[in-house]
Amino acid sequence: DGGITQSPKYLFRKEGQNVTLSCEQNLNHDAMYWYRQDPGQGLRLIYYSQIVNDFQKGDIAEGYSVSREKKESFPLTVTSAQKNPTAFYLCASSLGSSNTEAFFGQGTRLTVV
Amino acid sequence: KNEVEQSPQNLTAQEGEFITINCSYSVGISALHWLQQHPGGGIVSLFMLSSGKKKHGRLIATINIQEKHSSLHITASHPRDSAVYICAVGGTNAGGTSYGKLTFGQGTILTVHP
Repeated sequence: DGGITQSPKYLFRKEGQNVTLSCEQNLNHDAMYWYRQDPGQGLRLIYYSQIVNDFQKGDIAEGYSVSREKKESFPLTVTSAQKNPTAFYLCASSLGSSNTEAFFGQGTRLTVV
Repeated sequence: KNEVEQSPQNLTAQEGEFITINCSYSVGISALHWLQQHPGGGIVSLFMLSSGKKKHGRLIATINIQEKHSSLHITASHPRDSAVYICAVGGTNAGGTSYGKLTFGQGTILTVHP
């Protein structure tokens, strides 16, 4: 079955440590996105990539980094520079052009202690 | 930047009731999405539309481009419809080329009681 897989579902890290969240898709989509969701707020875009080896900052990129070495994979690293990393992180993909459906992963809940 | 406003923020209904959730946005868009998020957190795309109306089972989505407004209707609601419903819009840049990235509303929390 085609879809997007995020792992792990729950992640705990100590303050000051970098952590990488995985996102893999087998939908052959060109575009992939990382969003952050906080209670009472809409999803906010962290980074997006419209093609392999290229990515752009979203609205809240500070303290995060990404790579897009393969079409299928778009990992997100939450660095120690992110001041408030505890949140729910969602990965999505789309064909990349306008008027296309977005597909979402199940999310990763990151808790930094 | 496009602003997306949903109403109501919270909605409680009895099983069988007809439900309407509204979404308004401020600038031109290429497409509007309705998404459903269950308590586990995963999001499912319900509809993507750029004009008119779409129907899938008990769900109906409409959009009025001139008024910059969309509605999601659920007929004969059921407790399993309880979820957060999210409106999201895909915008256009100044050159008219659409990005795939979306701007999201805050979501409407729907609870349907038996």
